[in-house]
Amino acid sequence: EVQLQESGPGLVKPSQSLSLTCSVTGYSITSNYWGWIRKFPGNKMEWMGYISYSGSTSYNPSLKSRISITRDTSKNQFFLQLNSVTTEDTATYYCARVPREWGQGVMVTVSS
Amino acid sequence: DIQMTQSPSFLSASVGDRVTINCKASQNINRYLNWYQQKLGEAPKLLIYNANSLQTGIPSRFSGSGSGTDFTLTISSLQPEDVATYFCLQHNSWPWTFGGGTKLELK
Repeated sequence: EVQLQESGPGLVKPSQSLSLTCSVTGYSITSNYWGWIRKFPGNKMEWMGYISYSGSTSYNPSLKSRISITRDTSKNQFFLQLNSVTTEDTATYYCARVPREWGQGVMVTVSS
Repeated sequence: DIQMTQSPSFLSASVGDRVTINCKASQNINRYLNWYQQKLGEAPKLLIYNANSLQTGIPSRFSGSGSGTDFTLTISSLQPEDVATYFCLQHNSWPWTFGGGTKLELK
């Protein structure tokens, strides 16, 4: 059974970077595609980007150059970094094995 | 970006009712449409992929239909455990985009 678990700080200050980890068990991240999604207050959802089995990435243009998704295959983890955050980045962040299993999500608040 | 308009936003129905939820795409997405269920405090669960394919382990009372721009999720006989929020996702064109969600409650 594939399981995903997000982890990271729940509070980030404006202008700083948001960094999250997705730990995967039951499936190798060197297969398939792995993504980050977020759900804003009010329930709008956004697919932020994904990293492929080969390590190539694709990012939502709305995030421009603020986003980076990387991985550590030795730990079977992949990561999200979002730079220059504002209060509008407050959301619940999910990782997923595209398109099937999702983690439970981690709530991140951007506030000073 | 492709806009996904999901309706209704809120739905109240009785056990045994037939329930339908719709998603309309702003342009043709072929059959690249998934449906998810999210219960409070849980991870979203894939129900239907590619418009009408039932994910393994999902009860057969769930079904999906449609192609092009108009899609429907149907629950043939609502059960108490189906109380959840349902949302669609188009994966035809990047960036993939979501419907606004439907909160389903028991009457």
